[in-house]
Amino acid sequence: EVQLLESGGDLVQPGGSLRLSCAASGFTFSSYAMSWVRQAPGKGLEWVSHISGSGSYTYYADSIKARFTISRDNSKNTLYLQMNSLRDEDTAVYYCAKDRPATHWGQGTLVTVSS
Amino acid sequence: QPVLTQSSSASASLGSSVKLTCTLSSGRVSYIIAWHQQESGKAPRYLMKVEGSGSYNKGSGVPDRFSGSSSGADRYLTISNLQSEDEADYYCETWDSNIAVFGGGTQLTVL
Repeated sequence: EVQLLESGGDLVQPGGSLRLSCAASGFTFSSYAMSWVRQAPGKGLEWVSHISGSGSYTYYADSIKARFTISRDNSKNTLYLQMNSLRDEDTAVYYCAKDRPATHWGQGTLVTVSS
Repeated sequence: QPVLTQSSSASASLGSSVKLTCTLSSGRVSYIIAWHQQESGKAPRYLMKVEGSGSYNKGSGVPDRFSGSSSGADRYLTISNLQSEDEADYYCETWDSNIAVFGGGTQLTVL
């Protein structure tokens, strides 16, 4: 059974940093592209970033480009999202998702950016 | 990049059928889309992929009541024999040039 478990969400001040993790199990992690998708309170789904199975290729939404970095450690079956220079508008539940389009979703982790 | 258009809301009676629509922007009528269901306060759940041909491929455990179809730039999700647990937000997703795009979502109310 595919399982994706996000962690790392927290309350952080504007301008701060946070690193999210997504622990994957139940499939051959290195064979699949992985994505981060976020959902602001009361809003729809917004794609943030994705990374190829090998980790060689990364892609970002314009709204977070140059502030966020996606990475993965295939030896640990873990996906990461390093978030820097956080803004109020980055407040959201962040989901990791397997494959493109997403065929499995994690339960999400809440990031709140507020002073 | 493509745009996916969904109606913001829909409603149907318990036991009836409803057909939700996701419309691809111009020039992308062949694109595959995915449908996701999100119940209130929960994570999204993958339902199926729908191709331009109208064929669809459901995720594991998705009830037979859910089906997909296609016509031109429109991709459909049909839910038959509506149940109370089908009340949720439904999102479509597609990909283009390594960028994912989501529709704005349809809030389905079961009356």
